Amino acid sequence: GAGVSQSPRYKVAKRGQDVALRCDPISGHVSLFWYQQALGQGPEFLTYFQNEAQLDKSGLPSDRFFAERPEGSVSTLKIQRTQQEDSAVYLCASSWGRDLSGYTFGSGTRLTVV
Amino acid sequence: AQTVTQSQPEMSVQEAETVTLSCTYDTSESDYYLFWYKQPPSRQMILVIRQEAYKQQNATENRFSVNFQKAAKSFSLKISDSQLGDAAMYFCAYRSARGAGSNYKLTFGKGTLLTVNP
Repeated sequence: GAGVSQSPRYKVAKRGQDVALRCDPISGHVSLFWYQQALGQGPEFLTYFQNEAQLDKSGLPSDRFFAERPEGSVSTLKIQRTQQEDSAVYLCASSWGRDLSGYTFGSGTRLTVV
Repeated sequence: AQTVTQSQPEMSVQEAETVTLSCTYDTSESDYYLFWYKQPPSRQMILVIRQEAYKQQNATENRFSVNFQKAAKSFSLKISDSQLGDAAMYFCAYRSARGAGSNYKLTFGKGTLLTVNP
């Protein structure tokens, strides 16, 4: 596609519910990043994929967070047993790899846990 | 670990005037990249301008320019002839230039909300 597509745009989950957030990167982009942006804060790194390999998951806040990219294109960020502190915007970004011009970001998914 | 600090939570400017947004960072690396991103209410991060640390010349993109002071670890953004469409959150970001893979992750500041008054 022409840009990075994320769905859903908004998600309201009851505390304890599992959620899955989808990222559709630009076709051919090798690198894919997930970021978490709490209200009034800058985005913070969660995890990184190079093709289908998850090379860095050091930013995932707990073992309730899980990400995958099984075929090296679409990625899913899953949060199990959601908590109120998980409420945030989840941004996905992709790039060719050693792209020095930065990344192309999606418009994010705003997750609200009630 | 690298940190990025934006000390101005909010700034305002009159249309057609000039405004400067501040950013400082902390790193022990000598080779890195700095970015300014714009985030409108649509939430998509849009790259405004980037600077390679090895370049002494300040980057310029149309009405946007930076003042990069490597020794002081300062990277400010100047917006000239401000337009209503410039109103947004602006984030300063750092990225290492060494290594591979997730070294390319961005470290962001907390952002500055820019209001443009007509």
